[in-house]
Amino acid sequence: EDQVTQSPEALRLQEGESSSLNCSYTVSGLRGLFWYRQDPGKGPEFLFTLYSAGEEKEKERLKATLTKKESFLHITAPKPEDSATYLCAVQVPGYQKVTFGTGTKLQVIP
Amino acid sequence: EAQVTQNPRYLITVTGKKLTVTCSQNMNHEYMSWYRQDPGLGLRQIYYSMNVEVTDKGDVPEGYKVSRKEKRNFPLILESPSPNQTSLYFCASSLRGGLAGSGANVLTFGAGSRLTVL
Repeated sequence: EDQVTQSPEALRLQEGESSSLNCSYTVSGLRGLFWYRQDPGKGPEFLFTLYSAGEEKEKERLKATLTKKESFLHITAPKPEDSATYLCAVQVPGYQKVTFGTGTKLQVIP
Repeated sequence: EAQVTQNPRYLITVTGKKLTVTCSQNMNHEYMSWYRQDPGLGLRQIYYSMNVEVTDKGDVPEGYKVSRKEKRNFPLILESPSPNQTSLYFCASSLRGGLAGSGANVLTFGAGSRLTVL
Protein backbone atom coordinates (compact mmCIF):
# COMPACT_ATOMS: atom_id res chain seq x y z
CA GLU A 1 0.00 0.00 0.00
CA ASP A 2 1.27 3.45 -0.89
CA GLN A 3 2.27 5.45 2.15
CA VAL A 4 3.33 9.02 2.69
CA THR A 5 4.79 10.02 6.06
CA GLN A 6 5.61 13.58 7.02
CA SER A 7 7.79 14.69 9.91
CA PRO A 8 7.79 16.44 12.22
CA GLU A 9 4.07 16.81 12.88
CA ALA A 10 4.67 20.31 14.18
CA LEU A 11 7.63 22.66 14.08
CA ARG A 12 8.14 25.93 15.86
CA LEU A 13 10.90 28.22 14.58
CA GLN A 14 12.17 31.64 15.45
CA GLU A 15 12.07 34.12 12.59
CA GLY A 16 15.25 33.62 10.57
CA GLU A 17 15.91 30.10 11.90
CA SER A 18 16.25 27.82 8.87
CA SER A 19 15.02 24.22 8.95
CA SER A 20 13.71 21.35 6.85
CA LEU A 21 10.49 19.38 6.64
CA ASN A 22 10.59 15.74 5.62
CA CYS A 23 8.28 13.65 3.44
CA SER A 24 9.12 9.98 3.11
CA TYR A 25 7.19 7.70 0.79
CA THR A 26 6.84 4.03 0.00
CA VAL A 27 5.21 3.75 -3.38
CA SER A 28 5.67 1.42 -6.30
CA GLY A 29 7.01 3.73 -8.93
CA LEU A 30 6.72 7.40 -8.11
CA ARG A 31 5.45 9.57 -10.93
CA GLY A 32 5.20 12.87 -9.16
CA LEU A 33 5.63 14.36 -5.70
CA PHE A 34 3.76 17.52 -4.77
CA TRP A 35 4.10 20.08 -2.02
CA TYR A 36 1.12 22.17 -0.97
CA ARG A 37 0.68 24.86 1.63
CA GLN A 38 -2.53 25.11 3.67
CA ASP A 39 -3.50 28.13 5.74
CA PRO A 40 -6.10 27.79 8.51
CA GLY A 41 -9.63 27.74 7.14
CA LYS A 42 -8.48 27.48 3.53
CA GLY A 43 -7.87 24.85 0.91
CA PRO A 44 -4.34 23.71 0.09
CA GLU A 45 -2.37 25.79 -2.41
CA PHE A 46 0.17 24.32 -4.80
CA LEU A 47 3.86 24.98 -4.22
CA PHE A 48 6.00 22.48 -6.18
CA THR A 49 5.98 19.33 -8.27
CA LEU A 50 9.05 17.07 -8.40
CA TYR A 51 9.28 14.20 -10.86
CA SER A 52 12.67 12.53 -10.50
CA ALA A 53 15.38 11.92 -7.91
CA GLY A 54 17.87 14.75 -7.78
CA GLU A 55 15.39 17.37 -8.90
CA GLU A 56 15.21 20.63 -6.96
CA LYS A 57 12.80 23.57 -7.14
CA GLU A 58 12.84 26.92 -5.40
CA LYS A 59 10.36 29.65 -4.63
CA GLU A 60 11.34 32.57 -2.43
CA ARG A 61 12.46 31.08 0.90
CA LEU A 62 11.38 27.55 0.02
CA LYS A 63 13.38 24.86 -1.71
CA ALA A 64 12.11 21.36 -2.41
CA THR A 65 14.37 18.40 -3.13
CA LEU A 66 13.68 14.79 -4.04
CA THR A 67 15.53 11.50 -3.52
CA LYS A 68 14.37 7.97 -4.27
CA LYS A 69 12.81 7.62 -0.82
CA GLU A 70 12.01 11.09 0.45
CA SER A 71 11.58 14.75 -0.22
CA PHE A 72 12.66 17.72 1.83
CA LEU A 73 11.18 21.17 1.99
CA HIS A 74 13.91 23.51 3.12
CA ILE A 75 12.87 26.83 4.60
CA THR A 76 15.60 29.46 4.66
CA ALA A 77 15.32 32.40 7.06
CA PRO A 78 11.57 31.94 7.57
CA LYS A 79 9.20 34.79 8.30
CA PRO A 80 5.97 34.71 10.33
CA GLU A 81 3.97 34.69 7.08
CA ASP A 82 5.47 31.27 6.30
CA SER A 83 3.41 29.83 9.17
CA ALA A 84 1.08 27.22 7.71
CA THR A 85 0.61 23.50 7.34
CA TYR A 86 2.73 22.00 4.58
CA LEU A 87 1.36 18.95 2.82
CA CYS A 88 3.22 16.41 0.74
CA ALA A 89 1.46 14.21 -1.82
CA VAL A 90 2.49 11.49 -4.27
CA GLN A 91 1.14 10.14 -7.53
CA VAL A 92 1.93 6.69 -8.91
CA PRO A 93 1.51 5.06 -12.33
CA GLY A 94 -1.79 3.47 -13.16
CA TYR A 95 -3.71 5.31 -10.46
CA GLN A 96 -5.80 8.38 -10.95
CA LYS A 97 -5.37 9.51 -7.39
CA VAL A 98 -2.99 11.57 -5.34
CA THR A 99 -2.13 10.31 -1.84
CA PHE A 100 -1.48 12.96 0.80
CA GLY A 101 0.57 12.90 3.98
CA THR A 102 -0.83 14.29 7.22
CA GLY A 103 1.21 17.46 7.01
CA THR A 104 3.68 19.47 9.08
CA LYS A 105 2.29 22.44 10.95
CA LEU A 106 4.91 25.19 10.91
CA GLN A 107 4.82 28.15 13.26
CA VAL A 108 7.34 30.96 12.81
CA ILE A 109 7.64 33.26 15.79
CA PRO A 110 8.72 36.90 15.35
CA GLU B 1 -10.88 34.70 -11.29
CA ALA B 2 -10.00 31.03 -11.71
CA GLN B 3 -11.46 29.15 -8.81
CA VAL B 4 -13.22 26.15 -7.33
CA THR B 5 -16.41 27.09 -5.49
CA GLN B 6 -17.98 24.90 -2.84
CA ASN B 7 -21.30 25.34 -1.10
CA PRO B 8 -22.28 25.36 1.65
CA ARG B 9 -19.16 26.37 3.55
CA TYR B 10 -20.67 25.30 6.86
CA LEU B 11 -23.51 22.90 7.55
CA ILE B 12 -24.94 21.26 10.64
CA THR B 13 -27.41 18.48 9.95
CA VAL B 14 -28.91 15.42 11.58
CA THR B 15 -28.38 11.73 10.98
CA GLY B 16 -30.21 10.44 7.93
CA LYS B 17 -31.12 13.75 6.33
CA LYS B 18 -29.89 13.69 2.75
CA LEU B 19 -27.61 16.52 1.73
CA THR B 20 -25.62 17.68 -1.26
CA VAL B 21 -22.40 19.67 -1.27
CA THR B 22 -21.94 21.44 -4.58
CA CYS B 23 -18.64 22.04 -6.34
CA SER B 24 -18.10 24.13 -9.43
CA GLN B 25 -14.93 25.14 -11.28
CA ASN B 26 -14.51 27.80 -13.98
CA MET B 27 -11.19 26.62 -15.44
CA ASN B 28 -12.48 24.03 -17.93
CA HIS B 29 -10.67 21.35 -15.97
CA GLU B 30 -11.23 17.72 -16.91
CA TYR B 31 -10.33 16.19 -13.55
CA MET B 32 -12.28 16.79 -10.34
CA SER B 33 -12.04 15.13 -6.96
CA TRP B 34 -13.48 15.16 -3.45
CA TYR B 35 -11.39 14.84 -0.30
CA ARG B 36 -12.18 14.77 3.37
CA GLN B 37 -9.72 16.07 5.94
CA ASP B 38 -9.70 14.74 9.50
CA PRO B 39 -7.22 15.43 12.30
CA GLY B 40 -4.36 12.94 12.25
CA LEU B 41 -5.58 11.34 9.02
CA GLY B 42 -4.81 14.03 6.49
CA LEU B 43 -6.59 14.41 3.18
CA ARG B 44 -8.27 11.26 1.97
CA GLN B 45 -9.82 10.93 -1.46
CA ILE B 46 -13.52 10.06 -1.60
CA TYR B 47 -14.31 10.04 -5.33
CA TYR B 48 -12.75 11.43 -8.46
CA SER B 49 -13.83 12.11 -12.01
CA MET B 50 -11.57 12.04 -15.06
CA ASN B 51 -14.20 13.75 -17.23
CA VAL B 52 -17.93 14.07 -17.83
CA GLU B 53 -19.78 10.85 -16.97
CA VAL B 54 -16.54 9.20 -15.78
CA THR B 55 -16.27 8.74 -12.03
CA ASP B 56 -14.50 6.28 -9.75
CA LYS B 57 -13.99 5.52 -6.09
CA GLY B 58 -11.12 6.87 -4.07
CA ASP B 59 -9.92 5.54 -0.73
CA VAL B 60 -13.01 6.25 1.40
CA PRO B 61 -16.14 6.16 -0.83
CA GLU B 62 -18.55 4.45 1.59
CA GLY B 63 -21.61 6.56 2.34
CA TYR B 64 -21.04 9.00 -0.54
CA LYS B 65 -22.26 9.38 -4.10
CA VAL B 66 -21.14 11.66 -6.90
CA SER B 67 -22.18 12.54 -10.41
CA ARG B 68 -20.52 14.43 -13.28
CA LYS B 69 -23.17 15.48 -15.75
CA GLU B 70 -21.43 18.72 -16.70
CA LYS B 71 -17.74 19.44 -16.93
CA ARG B 72 -17.82 22.29 -14.44
CA ASN B 73 -19.87 20.64 -11.67
CA PHE B 74 -19.11 17.71 -9.38
CA PRO B 75 -21.59 17.48 -6.48
CA LEU B 76 -21.01 15.25 -3.46
CA ILE B 77 -24.13 13.53 -2.15
CA LEU B 78 -24.60 12.07 1.31
CA GLU B 79 -27.76 9.98 1.02
CA SER B 80 -28.03 9.18 4.74
CA PRO B 81 -25.40 11.08 6.68
CA SER B 82 -23.97 9.61 9.87
CA PRO B 83 -21.88 11.21 12.64
CA ASN B 84 -18.69 9.58 11.30
CA GLN B 85 -19.08 11.75 8.20
CA THR B 86 -18.51 14.85 10.28
CA SER B 87 -15.46 16.32 8.59
CA LEU B 88 -13.94 19.10 6.51
CA TYR B 89 -14.56 18.44 2.83
CA PHE B 90 -12.56 19.78 -0.09
CA CYS B 91 -13.30 19.72 -3.77
CA ALA B 92 -10.35 20.02 -6.14
CA SER B 93 -9.77 20.11 -9.86
CA SER B 94 -6.92 19.92 -12.34
CA LEU B 95 -6.55 20.38 -16.05
CA ARG B 96 -5.97 16.67 -16.52
CA GLY B 97 -5.95 13.65 -14.25
CA GLY B 98 -3.61 10.74 -14.05
CA LEU B 99 -0.11 11.04 -15.43
CA ALA B 100 -0.60 14.30 -17.23
CA GLY B 101 2.69 15.77 -16.13
CA SER B 102 3.90 19.25 -17.01
CA GLY B 103 1.79 20.75 -14.29
CA ALA B 104 -1.50 19.66 -15.84
CA ASN B 105 -2.28 17.51 -12.80
CA VAL B 106 -1.71 20.24 -10.22
CA LEU B 107 -4.79 20.46 -8.04
CA THR B 108 -6.70 23.67 -7.36
CA PHE B 109 -8.74 23.34 -4.17
CA GLY B 110 -11.92 24.96 -3.03
CA ALA B 111 -12.14 26.73 0.33
CA GLY B 112 -13.69 23.74 2.06
CA SER B 113 -17.06 22.75 3.51
CA ARG B 114 -17.25 21.98 7.20
CA LEU B 115 -19.97 19.43 7.82
CA THR B 116 -21.29 18.38 11.23
CA VAL B 117 -23.71 15.46 11.49
CA LEU B 118 -25.52 15.19 14.82
